[in-house]
Amino acid sequence: QQQVKQSPQSLIVQKGGISIINCAYENTAFDYFPWYQQFPGKGPALLIAIRPDVSEKKEGRFTISFNKSAKQFSLHIMDSQPGDSATYFCAASNSGGSNYKLTFGKGTLLTVNP
Amino acid sequence: DVKVTQSSRYLVKRTGEKVFLECVQDMDHENMFWYRQDPGLGLRLIYFSYDVKMKEKGDIPEGYSVSREKKERFSLILESASTNQTSMYLCASDRGLAGGYEQYFGPGTRLTVT
Repeated sequence: QQQVKQSPQSLIVQKGGISIINCAYENTAFDYFPWYQQFPGKGPALLIAIRPDVSEKKEGRFTISFNKSAKQFSLHIMDSQPGDSATYFCAASNSGGSNYKLTFGKGTLLTVNP
Repeated sequence: DVKVTQSSRYLVKRTGEKVFLECVQDMDHENMFWYRQDPGLGLRLIYFSYDVKMKEKGDIPEGYSVSREKKERFSLILESASTNQTSMYLCASDRGLAGGYEQYFGPGTRLTVT
């Protein structure tokens, strides 16, 4: 059972454009929603994260939008740059449990053309 | 900077061999995780550990075991490697609530079982 569904699987954007990646979750106990960025040959690294007490979080060109009632959250990359080309993973967890773990989406390969 | 190191970047083993993948973190993190990453399937949790000598099954533990004898070291063991275990293996660690649940990943070990 896939608890975090991520789309699209791949995305091509022109430099300066907006990249949007969407995720939907099923478990209403989830209360922590991070996005990880992975470059080829590297492990994933935390990009930005949100908790459900806010509907939006912005860090530079990266914004998470969160819709608790729809159980959806999305990553927006403004002014996309070729250096943003990477694989992006959304994830979710129930951080209140003693044995929390992250459940990841299947990933989105973003290509930003110059 | 947090550093998570994995013993090998590339590994080729034969079917039936016992395989050890080693992971070491240098930031005194309590929690450690093993994932496998496959194209189109994202990151799937194999095992995790919240303390020395403690282990918990993840989503796909079959065919794997783990060992955590020291806080900084978490080993993944393939008792009898099979071709369907050919994959990228990623180790991660975090400090839980104290670290905002940010997981730090190693660079990965690409294992090929022939």
